[in-house]
Order: sequence, then structure tokens, then C-alpha cells
Amino acid sequence: GAVVSQHPSRVICKSGTSVKIECRSLDFQATTMFWYRQFPKKSLMLMATSNEGSKATYEQGVEKDKFLINHASLTLSTLTVTSAHPEDSSFYICSARDRQGWQPQHFGDGTRLSIL
Amino acid sequence: GEDVEQSLFLSVREGDSSVINCTYTDSSSTYLYWYKQEPGAGLQLLTYIFSNMDMKQDQRLTVLLNKKDKHLSLRIADTQTGDSAIYFCAETDSGAGSYQLTFGKGTKLSVIP
Repeated sequence: GAVVSQHPSRVICKSGTSVKIECRSLDFQATTMFWYRQFPKKSLMLMATSNEGSKATYEQGVEKDKFLINHASLTLSTLTVTSAHPEDSSFYICSARDRQGWQPQHFGDGTRLSIL
Repeated sequence: GEDVEQSLFLSVREGDSSVINCTYTDSSSTYLYWYKQEPGAGLQLLTYIFSNMDMKQDQRLTVLLNKKDKHLSLRIADTQTGDSAIYFCAETDSGAGSYQLTFGKGTKLSVIP
């Protein structure tokens, strides 16, 4: 089945550091990838839609300069949390959908980001 | 806007059937999904149903869709302790072109041995 790999699975770093999270579709090509944030015991909050070869579409209230998204190929999207602060600590999850016809979204295993 | 509602908790005994319910408001929903999330992990796609279907069965999982009442359910037969997780109902309107998912808040299923 469709596999989405997300790396790293866990990051602990100091305040002010920038952190890059990768999302790869391993056995399919993904024109569109999605980035979510999940707070403890809450549902997923869509942050942005990442489109291959074009700018990401951010949801209302999500800072574009804070959360940089790059989707340079059909199998890789990256989310960079710039100058991270403790309030950015969260569980970040990506998903991707196969560009061939209609396909459901498949999710990565998530990245637990902890900013000290 | 779209809204997806589901109960927050469900507790069942091992071996019994579990039924997780979900309601949605968007009449344009074309695909409805069930995802499973175990602690500290991402979401695993369990099954999905197209809006012109009433039922879909896949091994222990049965999805029922009542489009008139905008009600979706997931039945897990012979529930096992490994089924303990949070189950998210989600919908998308493929006609909108964005394929964005709208999630419910998730139902935490606890299986009692």
C-alpha cells in the first residue's frame, strides 16, 4: 500500500533553533501534500497545503514566515519551523495523496517537536 | 462550513462488537473515511466509502452510510485489545478540487480485556 515516511520522528532543541521536517511518499508520486499540527488530545489542525512546484497554501492564522514549506519534487515536501519557541512544541503530521486519479490521503508517523 | 461530529469515548469488552458513529453536515461530501491513530503515531487509513454507497465491508470492519441523515458508522467485529486507539471520521468534497479533509474530534476506543 501507499507509504508516507516522515523524518525525524522526534526533535528536542533549544529555543531559537530552526527545525526541518521531511515528508516523503515512498511508492507513489504526490502532487499535493498536507501539513497538520495536533495538540494533545485534540484533532488534527490543517496548517497548509503543499503543491509541487508552486507556493503552499496556508490556512488562516498560520504564519507563512514561521512555517516554511517547500515541495520541490513529487515525492518530497519539507516543513521548516523557523526560530522555534516553546509554544511551537507540538506533534506535526504530514500526509500525501497519489496524483493518479482519486486517492485517499496517507499519513506519515508524525514528528514530536519539543522546544526547550 | 463543514462540520464532523463524533462521540469522544467508547468502551467495549474484548470480543464484543464496537460501533463508532459520526455525523457530518456537508451535503457535498463525496468521500468519507475512517482513520485510526495509536498513541504517538500518525494516522492509519482504515477504510473509506464513496457517497453513492450504503455499505462497505472489509474483514472485521463494516462501514454504513446513511446519506439522507448524513450519518456514518464504523463497526469493528470481535474487538481486540489491539483495536484500542483513537478513531477519526473525516470527509472530503472532491468536487471542490482541494481534497482537504475535515476531521471529527476523534473517538477514543478502550477495549477491556
